[in-house]
Amino acid sequence: GAGVSQSPRYKVTKRGQDVTLRCDPISSHATLYWYQQALGQGPEFLTYFNYEAQPDKSGLPSDRFSAERPEGSISTLTIQRTEQRDSAMYRCASSGGMGGEQFFGPGTRLTVL
Amino acid sequence: SQELEQSPQSLIVQEGKNLTINCTSSKTLYGLYWYKQKYGEGLIFLMMLQKGGEEKSHEKITAKLDEKKQQSSLHITASQPSHAGIYLCGADSQGAQKLVFGQGTRLTINP
Repeated sequence: GAGVSQSPRYKVTKRGQDVTLRCDPISSHATLYWYQQALGQGPEFLTYFNYEAQPDKSGLPSDRFSAERPEGSISTLTIQRTEQRDSAMYRCASSGGMGGEQFFGPGTRLTVL
Repeated sequence: SQELEQSPQSLIVQEGKNLTINCTSSKTLYGLYWYKQKYGEGLIFLMMLQKGGEEKSHEKITAKLDEKKQQSSLHITASQPSHAGIYLCGADSQGAQKLVFGQGTRLTINP
């Protein structure tokens, strides 16, 4: 696509529910990143993919968080048993190669009640 | 781990005035990115700096990376309402494929 898209744009869920967020990167981009941004803070790295490989998961806060990119294009971020502290903006970015400019999507605002 | 500190955290200026936002790193910068964030939108890429002493301009926005590559500044000349938003600096984390961001600077332009 022309830019990075994310869905849903807003998600409200109850504590304990699972949620899945989706990212559709720029079609030619090999590398895809997930970030978590708390209110009033800069984005913090969660994980990234190079095609379907996931070389770095070091930023995932707990084992409740997981991400997939099975065919090297669309990616999903799943949070199991959501907690109120998971409430944040989740941003996806893609780049044409590792270390290049990252293009960000509009984000998904997650609210856990 | 690398940390980026932005100053000021918020800034209110009158339309037409110049302003500067600073980004200071705890470690040498190997790639420094400036992004702008507007409500409801993604981060918009502004500029990337890599070399010590490098300076880039786009319209009325100029970004510099100091010689020691530990500080960058973003300067806006003759500010306009369209410049309002949150400015974020991000740095390549050496040896890791990720960006480390500052906390952001919220810019408000008063007419």
